[in-house]
Amino acid sequence: DAGVIQSPRHEVTEMGQEVTLRCKPISGHNSLFWYRQTMMRGLELLIYFNNNVPIDDSGMPEDRFSAKMPNASFSTLKIQPSEPRDSAVYFCASSLTPRNSPLHFGNGTRLTVT
Amino acid sequence: KNQVEQSPQSLIILEGKNCTLQCNYTVSPFSNLRWYKQDTGRGPVSLTIMTFSENTKSNGRYTATLDADTKQSSLHITASQLSDSASYICVVSLISSGSARQLTFGSGTQLTVLP
Repeated sequence: DAGVIQSPRHEVTEMGQEVTLRCKPISGHNSLFWYRQTMMRGLELLIYFNNNVPIDDSGMPEDRFSAKMPNASFSTLKIQPSEPRDSAVYFCASSLTPRNSPLHFGNGTRLTVT
Repeated sequence: KNQVEQSPQSLIILEGKNCTLQCNYTVSPFSNLRWYKQDTGRGPVSLTIMTFSENTKSNGRYTATLDADTKQSSLHITASQLSDSASYICVVSLISSGSARQLTFGSGTQLTVLP
């Protein structure tokens, strides 16, 4: 089991540029989450997919953020245009559907927008 | 408002000592409570999960307790090791309908174990 795989591990970009973060969930998991972690706000849920369908995107901060899950093994989080306040660590997590199933997190993408 | 508060914010102990981390929550209706360990530069990893009817759950040197009446949980670490240095995050799950999953995260306790 390779776990949840995220890429890139680090991303440094200039304000105004488009950023795409990628995630490969654990095979067989049908729920996928995107989280953002900062020192000030901790872990915040951005969007949650179940069976590739977005269920809750109320955490997506602005229209600049968008997420897709074209199939069960791949998801992207895109920020366009990026701003310095988007700097954070972005985590992808996957799980089975039952509520008691644990979230399995990737190791995150550290985004720095200058 | 559903909230999860953890204390202390940070803790420094010597290797081999025991410690206890606290989590108070106001989430209702409660489904389950989970403790995660997050090493620096890594994603959180689940340590334990406790449902409403469970009072104690152990995972090696980690023992979690839950008092659903007072809405408090604790994570006790026995005979600490240097590798226990990490952030410990309390996460409470809300009972919700459909396929939605509603989790409330605490801000974490940063534990440092010194040799």
